[in-house]
Amino acid sequence: GDSVTQMEGPVTLSEEAFLTINCTYTATGYPSLFWYVQYPGEGLQLLLKATKADDKGSNKGFEATYRKETTSFHLEKGSVQVSDSAVYFCALRVGAQKLVFGQGTRLTINP
Amino acid sequence: GAVVSQHPSRVICKSGTSVKIECRSLDFQATTMFWYRQFPKQSLMLMATSNEGSKATYEQGVEKDKFLINHASLTLSTLTVTSAHPEDSSFYICSATRGTPNTGELFFGEGSRLTVL
Repeated sequence: GDSVTQMEGPVTLSEEAFLTINCTYTATGYPSLFWYVQYPGEGLQLLLKATKADDKGSNKGFEATYRKETTSFHLEKGSVQVSDSAVYFCALRVGAQKLVFGQGTRLTINP
Repeated sequence: GAVVSQHPSRVICKSGTSVKIECRSLDFQATTMFWYRQFPKQSLMLMATSNEGSKATYEQGVEKDKFLINHASLTLSTLTVTSAHPEDSSFYICSATRGTPNTGELFFGEGSRLTVL
């Protein structure tokens, strides 16, 4: 079945460091790919998405490129801030099917 | 953006009791709401999909009689964990969509942590 595998956390970085959170997927069809973020005490929020191969989703300085050849959707940010501390979830959806989530990666940014 | 709120955010109960968790869409009418369960260090697992005014659709392996879902209005869905046991302790998250169920953007509640003693 469809699945998402994320980089295991927790990840701890210093402010202004470069961030990569790896995400790979398996899907029987042609999925749309998503990154959700959950800040402390809040619900999940859509961070960015990509609906077809080679699309790049971007938001708030974060980027992820839909790589069909490597079945990946890695999340990157060039310079992280303390306010980026949160749990990040990679997810996929094939057509009208339900969302399938990765296990989440907790990110902590130290000043 | 749209707001979905859950209540309570934390609940502790004794084994054998029932617990109700509410999920409300505060500024839009949610045609469909979803309930997820999250175990520590694991992904969100979809439990059921509920549409206003009709019976919920449960995922395989989820006990319908254990996890009662009611979607009585376009802004409220409730999850009742009946005769709770320690293995039901978990983080329960709801989400709602105001578009078509599987293509509209999902808005998530902040989650409810249930601890059964």
